[in-house]
Amino acid sequence: DAGVIQSPRHEVTEMGQEVTLRCKPISGHDYLFWYRQTMMRGLELLIYFNNNVPIDDSGMPEDRFSAKMPNASFSTLKIQPSEPRDSAVYFCASSNYGTGVLAFFGQGTRLTVV
Amino acid sequence: GDSVTQMEGPVTLSEEAFLTINCTYTATGYPSLFWYVQYPGEGLQLLLKATKADDKGSNKGFEATYRKETTSFHLEKGSVQVSDSAVYFCALSGGFGNEKLTFGTGTRLTIIP
Repeated sequence: DAGVIQSPRHEVTEMGQEVTLRCKPISGHDYLFWYRQTMMRGLELLIYFNNNVPIDDSGMPEDRFSAKMPNASFSTLKIQPSEPRDSAVYFCASSNYGTGVLAFFGQGTRLTVV
Repeated sequence: GDSVTQMEGPVTLSEEAFLTINCTYTATGYPSLFWYVQYPGEGLQLLLKATKADDKGSNKGFEATYRKETTSFHLEKGSVQVSDSAVYFCALSGGFGNEKLTFGTGTRLTIIP
C-alpha cells in the first residue's frame, strides 16, 4: 500500500482565495483525521470521520473551514476565503479501529497564504 | 478532556548518550498511549505503543512503559545516534467511542556527533 496520500505537497495562495487540500486514506481504513500543525499551537485535530461520516468537527476553527468525505477513498479540506493565519502544515491520517487505532499520517500539505 | 504534557524542548545530546523524554497524561478510562516521531519535512510515524497498564512498547532501541499509577509514558533510549534527531510526540487515544489521537506539543531532539 502506498500509504496516506496528500496533495498538493505545497500550496501558495493569496489571501481571499479558496484552497482545497486532498487526501486519499489507506485502503480499508475506516477512520480519517485532519490535523493542522503550527509552531505556535502544535498539532491540532480539526475533524475526523468514521465510515465517511464526520464524528467530531469541534476543532474546525471557523466557518471558513469545511471538510468532506464523499467516499471511503477520498477526503477534502477546504478553506474559503483563506487568510494568512491559515498558513500551516495540514496532515491527513487514517486508521482502522481493528488495528488498535494506529493512525498513519500522510506527508502533509504546507500551505502558505500571502 | 484528555490531555498530554510533554517535556519542553529542545533537547540536545551527544551521540551515545542516554535519552529520556518525559510524558504524562490526563484521561478518563483506559487510554492507549503512543510515541510518534517526525523527521524533517515528513509526516508523523508511529514509533511505539502500549495499550494497557504496565505494557512496554519498544522499537528501534526506544522503549516506553505505560505507568497508570503515575499517568506517565516516558520515552527512553540507551544510546542515541545522529539519525535519531527528530521531533517526538507523545499521544493518547481514548479507545472505543473516543478514537481521536490527542498529541503533546512535541520535543525536538538534536544529536551531536
